[in-house]
Amino acid sequence: DTAVSQTPKYLVTQMGNDKSIKCEQNLGHDTMYWYKQDSKKFLKIMFSYNNKELIINETVPNRFSPKSPDKAHLNLHINSLELGDSAVYFCASSQGLSNTEAFFGQGTRLTVV
Amino acid sequence: GENVEQHPSTLSVQEGDSAVIKCTYSDSASNYFPWYKQELGKGPQLIIDIRSNVGEKKDQRIAVTLNKTAKHFSLHITETQPEDSAVYFCAASQRAGGTSYGKLTFGQGTILTVHP
Repeated sequence: DTAVSQTPKYLVTQMGNDKSIKCEQNLGHDTMYWYKQDSKKFLKIMFSYNNKELIINETVPNRFSPKSPDKAHLNLHINSLELGDSAVYFCASSQGLSNTEAFFGQGTRLTVV
Repeated sequence: GENVEQHPSTLSVQEGDSAVIKCTYSDSASNYFPWYKQELGKGPQLIIDIRSNVGEKKDQRIAVTLNKTAKHFSLHITETQPEDSAVYFCAASQRAGGTSYGKLTFGQGTILTVHP
């Protein structure tokens, strides 16, 4: 009964490959996010979706494409993976845009080799 | 956009001592300031938050203070325990309105180590 769940937890892949990370929340929240945590632990927002609508796209390369099939799911697809994409990616959700008490998933550690 | 600075980057204390982590923010429109604790291999977890209409909030051993005029806020942990060891992040956001609401801007994180 995990609130925000991401799969996979670990992902090791070669440069140039395309990969997806899936996220689901069972909190009934309207808003979902993707955050990236780099090797220095710095957390930075990538995208936010509210009721399946893209709200924030924070200067992320267009190789990253989020998709929200419904408000409980927000997936992240990454094309042509690069070494610099190696990081931990966190999905999060909040009740709405005006309530930013965010609940985070356990993270997906992506390693590009 | 918002910029959040957090200090110190590492903090080492003895069990039972107090720990204080400080953050400053740049955007006067920010009105919501949460603190997150991240344990190894896990996602950040909200431990306490404060809104801009409040100067201080306390929850057991944890307290947060906010100075809107100076644009800084602090996390205070009293009677620290080894299980408090983790990375702590401050953040700022706009709860409603503005072009960046719904977005948390995080500080750089503080690695807190509590020695038994």
